[in-house]
Amino acid sequence: VQLQESGPGLVKPSQTLSLTCNVSGDSLTSGGYYWSWIRQPPGKGLEWMGYISYSGKTDYVPSLKRRLFISLDPSKNQFSLTLTSVTPADTAVYYCARQYLNGDTTMFEHWGQGTLVTVSS
Amino acid sequence: SYELTQPPSVSVSPGQTARITCSGDKLDDKYVSWYLQRPGQAPVLLISQDNKRHSGIPDRFSGSSSGNTATLTISDTQAQDEADFYCQTRDGGVIFGGGTKLTVL
Repeated sequence: VQLQESGPGLVKPSQTLSLTCNVSGDSLTSGGYYWSWIRQPPGKGLEWMGYISYSGKTDYVPSLKRRLFISLDPSKNQFSLTLTSVTPADTAVYYCARQYLNGDTTMFEHWGQGTLVTVSS
Repeated sequence: SYELTQPPSVSVSPGQTARITCSGDKLDDKYVSWYLQRPGQAPVLLISQDNKRHSGIPDRFSGSSSGNTATLTISDTQAQDEADFYCQTRDGGVIFGGGTKLTVL
């Protein structure tokens, strides 16, 4: 399974950040897995942002719920992140990842290489 | 909101055993995963469900959990193990610890 993020590396404050994750080696709709976005500000730790399931169900971290939207494009085997009204605090390396979730167990077995997005005018 | 606390840094001599802790309220009621992240690279899953090594991970890496603390143990620590390590659990959403930088002196 391979994941690859793509999108602009620079976004202006107050604008919308859009990233896409292309998945190969697995089908997004085959079931059993969730497709997540995780970010890491420069020099800081990891923050899970949210996921979309194979059926299109989403879950977002409460702090981003008003600004975050994750969608699925089965025809292209891609999923996408849209983050509105960005500020410099949204500057980070953004990773897409395949998430295993079953009851109390969750883990990220496969990650993209990450893409740095800088929010600056 | 639920939090996981890790020491910012741990130092170990080559060949010795390193232990990295991860603390959270009643953490042994939850499952913990561990990740290794080298500079400029994506995290790699080491351990899931407290103590299950992921495919291809050397048996020098092991995990345990008791009470409020989960521990990642690295035996016979090597220079290549120098990296950042993160614990992760589920509490509604996904929670990561703040990360621990392992230095192999």
